[in-house]
Amino acid sequence: DAKTTQPNSMESNEEEPVHLPCNHSTISGTDYIHWYRQLPSQGPEYVIHGLTSNVNNRMASLAIAEDRKSSTLILHRATLRDAAVYYCILRDVFPETSYNNYGQNFVFGPGTRLSVLP
Amino acid sequence: DVKVTQSSRYLVKRTGEKVFLECVQDMDHENMFWYRQDPGLGLRLIYFSYDVKMKEKGDIPEGYSVSREKKERFSLILESASTNQTSMYLCASSTGRLAGVGSYNEQFFGPGTRLTVL
Repeated sequence: DAKTTQPNSMESNEEEPVHLPCNHSTISGTDYIHWYRQLPSQGPEYVIHGLTSNVNNRMASLAIAEDRKSSTLILHRATLRDAAVYYCILRDVFPETSYNNYGQNFVFGPGTRLSVLP
Repeated sequence: DVKVTQSSRYLVKRTGEKVFLECVQDMDHENMFWYRQDPGLGLRLIYFSYDVKMKEKGDIPEGYSVSREKKERFSLILESASTNQTSMYLCASSTGRLAGVGSYNEQFFGPGTRLTVL
């Protein structure tokens, strides 16, 4: 799977938008872009994913560059509860495996630690 | 509410002890995963299982074994614990069935077990 690069840390003020960047210059045509986050003392949780088009859900928006070599996770109004480590992960939509299974294990890098200031 | 539970949040063991970490999911998922998480290294996959009695090595399987006798339960075993296995251990599960249009095979994580080996 292609590698991603994220800043180690970012800071935001409460109730302001946050843009978390991710670079993935070696992304392949069938790689989905996944975002997970890990709140303190918890396991990671799914945030959003996309392939080519921008995506919105109740948690966040995902903006994907036209060449797909970068993407940005957007939190529209950061709250204190959004303080977490955010992981950007690429994974082929149909990973080659020796078994008939579409489950995906993810390779989690260091991620971006987001601090939200009151 | 979907759930992945881990047997302990905190565990302290001595060098050389045999350690069992248990994970149970109630979502009828085919896939289960064990990761360890260390500062600066992100999450690293130890083992995963895509079916009962089936297992595949992840990136760092040395010093670990696993057992999956029932679909809902996946155990991580440290045959002879060592101090370098002090870490946070995270279990996850996901469906192995192909997600339909608009669906997504996300991974669901447990809260983690912080293991200290003295």
